[in-house]
Amino acid sequence: DAKTTQPPSMDCAEGRAANLPCNHSTISGNEYVYWYRQIHSQGPQYIIHGLKNNETNEMASLIITEDRKSSTLILPHATLRDTAVYYCIVRLGGYQKVTFGTGTKLQVIP
Amino acid sequence: NAGVTQTPKFRVLKTGQSMTLLCAQDMNHEYMYWYRQDPGMGLRLIHYSVGEGTTAKGEVPDGYNVSRLKKQNFLLGLESAAPSQTSVYFCASSYSVTGMTDTQYFGPGTRLTVL
Repeated sequence: DAKTTQPPSMDCAEGRAANLPCNHSTISGNEYVYWYRQIHSQGPQYIIHGLKNNETNEMASLIITEDRKSSTLILPHATLRDTAVYYCIVRLGGYQKVTFGTGTKLQVIP
Repeated sequence: NAGVTQTPKFRVLKTGQSMTLLCAQDMNHEYMYWYRQDPGMGLRLIHYSVGEGTTAKGEVPDGYNVSRLKKQNFLLGLESAAPSQTSVYFCASSYSVTGMTDTQYFGPGTRLTVL
C-alpha cells in the first residue's frame, strides 16, 4: 500500500468547514483513498472513499487531485463531535488490511 | 443490526495467564481482522481471516492465535500473556465484491492490561 502524509494536528472553528489534507504521491492506479476517523477510545469509523472522482456522502466530501497524488477530506460544518483523529489510507481493493498511520488530530473549537 | 461487537470490553490479566477475545459480526461479512492499538500509534494488524476456517498472519502475530470456526465469529487468543500485550484490541469485518473495494467496520474495542 502507498504511504500517506498528514499534518499531525489541526484546529477548526465550530460551524466552519474543516479541510484535512493528505499526500499520497506514490499511489498506484488501482489504489483507493480511504478516510476513517477515531473518536477518543472508540473504534475507527469509516467516513468515505474514492478512486479517481470526487465523492460526497452524508458525512463528508472527498476531493482527489487529477494526478491522484493528494486529496482533501472536507467536513462542511464541523461540530464539537467531529473532534477526532482522522486517518487517510491508500489501499487496494478486495480483502486487505488497513494500514493506519498516525493521522491528523482535529480539534473543533467552540 | 448490532454490527461488530467485542467481548469483553475490559480485562486485566497477570503475566502468564491466558484469555480469549471474542469478535462477532452480524453483517454476513467474509473478512475479519484483529488489530491492536498502542498509545501514540496507529492500528497494527495481528491476524486476519478471509473466510470461515481460514486465518493468516498480519504484521504483529507473535504471541497470538486465532480461530474462525463460524463465519460470524473471530476469536483472538493469548496463550501466555505478557506486559507487552497491554493494548486496546479492535476487531473489524468487511466484504468485497469482485473488482470492487471493501470497507472495514470496526468494533468498540477491548482494553487489555497485563500486569
